[in-house]
Amino acid sequence: AQKITQTQPGMFVQEKEAVTLDCTYDTSDPSYGLFWYKQPSSGEMIFLIYQGSYDQQNATEGRYSLNFQKARKSANLVISASQLGDSAMYFCAMRLYSSASKIIFGSGTRLSIRP
Amino acid sequence: EAGVVQSPRYKIIEKKQPVAFWCNPISGHNTLYWYRQNLGQGPELLIRYENEEAVDDSQLPKDRFSAERLKGVDSTLKIQPAELGDSAVYLCASSLVAGGGTDTQYFGPGTRLTVL
Repeated sequence: AQKITQTQPGMFVQEKEAVTLDCTYDTSDPSYGLFWYKQPSSGEMIFLIYQGSYDQQNATEGRYSLNFQKARKSANLVISASQLGDSAMYFCAMRLYSSASKIIFGSGTRLSIRP
Repeated sequence: EAGVVQSPRYKIIEKKQPVAFWCNPISGHNTLYWYRQNLGQGPELLIRYENEEAVDDSQLPKDRFSAERLKGVDSTLKIQPAELGDSAVYLCASSLVAGGGTDTQYFGPGTRLTVL
């Protein structure tokens, strides 16, 4: 069954430290994409980073990088030099590029940055 | 470039009443999605449109929910009649292409529905 698992319901991190948010996925589809979104208290989902299943290199976008370990089916988000504005919910999502093209979100991790 | 627009932002209704949500996607995006997000959970896809066609409505409770995307641009999601369990945030998203590649979804601010 297709599934996204985020095992950390909440995390506290000191400002300026790096943080890793865990995401594991389960699918038998060979072609899929993995996404991370940030949802601040305002409610809007903000796209952060994308990784395709056939991409050879880990994706990076500014302070965000995705640690993609295909054999382990994990796609952890790494935020370097955390800032107070990083406090938010973070969701991992998977899109299956089969004929069904299903889209699945994880349950999220609430990240709180301490000053 | 304008983002995904949704209205209203908040709606409070009594159970058994009808309610409708409106979404205008990013210009040029042919794919539109409606999600429901319950408190403390991730979004769940209700329906996905490619242009005017609903290509995935498997999670839409069709006894009370309906959606339309006339002319393949803006879309309306309706609930009739609303139940207490429908209280949630309803998110609309759009993307440039559907399937394969970086079909990133861009989300609107959502509509927070409270059913009393």
